[in-house]
Amino acid sequence: GAVVSQHPSRVICKSGTSVKIECRSLDFQATTMFWYRQFPKKSLMLMATSNEGSKATYEQGVEKDKFLINHASLTLSTLTVTSAHPEDSSFYICSARGRGGGELFFGEGSRLTVL
Amino acid sequence: AQSVSQHNHHVILSEAASLELGCNYSYGGTVNLFWYVQYPGQHLQLLLKYFSGDPLVKGIKGFEAEFIKSKFSFNLRKPSVQWSDTAEYFCAVTDGGATNKLIFGTGTLLAVQP
Repeated sequence: GAVVSQHPSRVICKSGTSVKIECRSLDFQATTMFWYRQFPKKSLMLMATSNEGSKATYEQGVEKDKFLINHASLTLSTLTVTSAHPEDSSFYICSARGRGGGELFFGEGSRLTVL
Repeated sequence: AQSVSQHNHHVILSEAASLELGCNYSYGGTVNLFWYVQYPGQHLQLLLKYFSGDPLVKGIKGFEAEFIKSKFSFNLRKPSVQWSDTAEYFCAVTDGGATNKLIFGTGTLLAVQP
């Protein structure tokens, strides 16, 4: 299947700093990318949907100023956690879909720990 | 809003036992249904999906699922599990709309004892 790669896989940062997570589709053009957050022992919570070249659509309760999403090209979307706090510590997963819809492919996830 | 519920949070089975994991969704319209698996330390992978047609869907690794529209259910089954099936299993649904957002259930952690 298609490959979606996330970087970094793990990041530790100090409270108050910003962290950027990249999501790349390696062998297809991802017209739509989704960002999920996975809490321990809980499901994946959809944070936002981004379409290439347009602003992301955020789910209810997700702060758009805190979780900045950019989908500047057909192969790259970034999630920036601004002014991170310990409660932002989580596992963030991206997924991508190509033109015409179809299967979603998932990245390996990025574990963020905010000290 | 759509929601997906998985009734079993933890399931422990012995090898060769049969498996059935429950999944119910709440959405009255046309749905697309999925089961994903996450092996320890790995990505989420698609096991199988239902879009339309035969409600009994066969997936990879001997898994199958049956869509019962009247019960809003999409249960996952496997006749005989193996130790290598130890993983977390997620049911998910999209509404087939413009955004096709994928909403996940809470997951079921399956442990198969050799």
